[in-house]
Amino acid sequence: GQNIDQPTEMTATEGAIVQINCTYQTSGFNGLFWYQQHAGEAPTFLSYNVLDGLEEKGRFSSFLSRSKGYSYLLLKELQMKDSASYLCAVMDSNYQLIWGAGTKLIIKP
Amino acid sequence: IAGITQAPTSQILAAGRRMTLRCTQDMRHNAMYWYRQDLGLGLRLIHYSNTAGTTGKGEVPDGYSVSRANTDDFPLTLASAVPSQTSVYFCASSPAAGTDTQYFGPGTRLTVL
Repeated sequence: GQNIDQPTEMTATEGAIVQINCTYQTSGFNGLFWYQQHAGEAPTFLSYNVLDGLEEKGRFSSFLSRSKGYSYLLLKELQMKDSASYLCAVMDSNYQLIWGAGTKLIIKP
Repeated sequence: IAGITQAPTSQILAAGRRMTLRCTQDMRHNAMYWYRQDLGLGLRLIHYSNTAGTTGKGEVPDGYSVSRANTDDFPLTLASAVPSQTSVYFCASSPAAGTDTQYFGPGTRLTVL
């Protein structure tokens, strides 16, 4: 079966750095997406990785290792507005997105 | 408007009733999707459409139907609602099917009693 695993909840301090991990087992791989979802709102796109390595976009970076079936999202200089759920999703061989349950990130002052 | 709109925002429905959730996008995206989101689970694909006039089944299609008569609209119909269909429903679109980024509507919160 297809499976995406990510921690259910994480807590971090304002101004700090946090890394959210995602491991996956899917039938085929056509890229990995990270989305941010604030409570009661729609998911919004953060990043897309299809090749191994690190993609940096401002305070957010995403890393992919295809051989290990592993990705992480790195958030730097945390702000209170970063409190949200972070969703990892893998596009499988049928070009359908398989979603993890999301990691709820709580930022404390 | 710019983006994707969904209607209604929320709805309480009696079991056995028929319900259509509406989704409209003005980005001229070819591909559209319907997901449901339940607590503790990832988003699950219900149906999708790669282009106007075509539809396909996702992971959890039973009890749902869709149509794609034109590029902009992608309604989702529950023919006879059951309590297990209580969920938050998101419509999404992407420029093309495949690896293009999907953009989500604001969601419809549906409760079936």
